[in-house]
Amino acid sequence: SQQGEEDPQALSIQEGENATMNCSYKTSINNLQWYRQNSGRGLVHLILIRSNEREKHSGRLRVTLDTSKKSSSLLITASRAADTASYFCAGTSGSRLTFGEGTQLTVNP
Amino acid sequence: GAVVSQHPSRVICKSGTSVKIECRSLDFQATTMFWYRQFPKQSLMLMATSNEGSKATYEQGVEKDKFLINHASLTLSTLTVTSAHPEDSSFYICSASLPGFQRGTPYEQFFGPGTRLTVL
Repeated sequence: SQQGEEDPQALSIQEGENATMNCSYKTSINNLQWYRQNSGRGLVHLILIRSNEREKHSGRLRVTLDTSKKSSSLLITASRAADTASYFCAGTSGSRLTFGEGTQLTVNP
Repeated sequence: GAVVSQHPSRVICKSGTSVKIECRSLDFQATTMFWYRQFPKQSLMLMATSNEGSKATYEQGVEKDKFLINHASLTLSTLTVTSAHPEDSSFYICSASLPGFQRGTPYEQFFGPGTRLTVL
């Protein structure tokens, strides 16, 4: 069964705006990862945040993790049309990746 | 970076036939490979974990006799959908992990581009 829920399920913004996606999970995790998937394609790893970290940055990406609330957020700043894709969080427990439901982000030019 | 390929990228077959999907790690040896299934507008669901030279471990609800997994070498795992039916139509994605995975570096899991299976 799916562990994570993502909010919102769909997000439509204008180019240049920031996009924030949230993810919640139910069980304990070792770390949490965010992936991107273009329509009909494979996954691209974006960023990993360990369970003992609270915030991490990578380029235009900012990820937070709140283990007390079992939640994470992904912020994409200064969005571009090319950022249009589905974004998934995935919690790691042992050797398993359990994916959230995903957020479909549309960035309008 | 580590590259994982899948073949074919797209397959259409008739109901009742079997389809084999290959997953290859191109520039590294993968001790563990994972198979996921993704229905339209849904997330990835882990089907099975495959270790080289041993039987795959299937997730609850996944029929091992229907989804045959063979991990015969450190660079190749295959998924065979036997007696496929329209409800098996889905996007199948594999991933492969580097040996360092076992040392607790789970981010070393690399995904293939996926295979779109359509069963008529």
